[in-house]
Amino acid sequence: EVQLVESGGGLVQPGGSLTLSCAASGFIFSSHNMHWVRQAPGRGLEWLSFISPTGNVIHYADSVKGRFTISRDSAKSALYLQMDSLRAEDTAVYYCATPLNPTGDLCFYWGQGTLVTVSS
Amino acid sequence: EIVMTQSPATLSVSPGERATLSCRASQSVSSDLAWYQHKPGQAPRVLIYGASTRATGIPARFSGSGSGTEFTLTISSLQSEDFAVYYCQQYNNWPRTFGQGTKVEVK
Repeated sequence: EVQLVESGGGLVQPGGSLTLSCAASGFIFSSHNMHWVRQAPGRGLEWLSFISPTGNVIHYADSVKGRFTISRDSAKSALYLQMDSLRAEDTAVYYCATPLNPTGDLCFYWGQGTLVTVSS
Repeated sequence: EIVMTQSPATLSVSPGERATLSCRASQSVSSDLAWYQHKPGQAPRVLIYGASTRATGIPARFSGSGSGTEFTLTISSLQSEDFAVYYCQQYNNWPRTFGQGTKVEVK
């Protein structure tokens, strides 16, 4: 069974940093594309970032480009999102997601999310 | 970036009735369009991909159509478990983008 478990959320001050983790199991993590998506309170889904299996292809949404960094560790079957220069508008539930097929595009499997609150 | 615009924002429908949701892309995304269902406290679920292909396990009452810039999700006969928020997403261009969502609520 595919499982994605996010962690690392919490309360952080504006301008601060936080690193989210996503522990993956039940599939060959080293072969799969991975995404981060978030949902701010009362708002819709927002796609944030993508990383290919080897990490040689990375994409970001304009809203986080230059502030967030996606990475992965295949030995640990883990996905990360380093978030710097955090703003109040980054307050959201953050999800990691992966496609059904390793090199697919869809966010087919999702974690349950981790809440990040940016506030003083 | 490609802007995805969904309409209406809220759709009030009675159980058993048909629901039609629309999604428009600011430029062509070919058929690289997916629909997701999202319920509070749950992870989103893929319903449709490739604009019209139902994902595994999705009931036949869900259908998708369209290509290019205009897309439609139809729920033929709403069941109680279908009241949720629905999002379209294009995966033709980077960055991937979602529509703002359509909330399907009980009339």
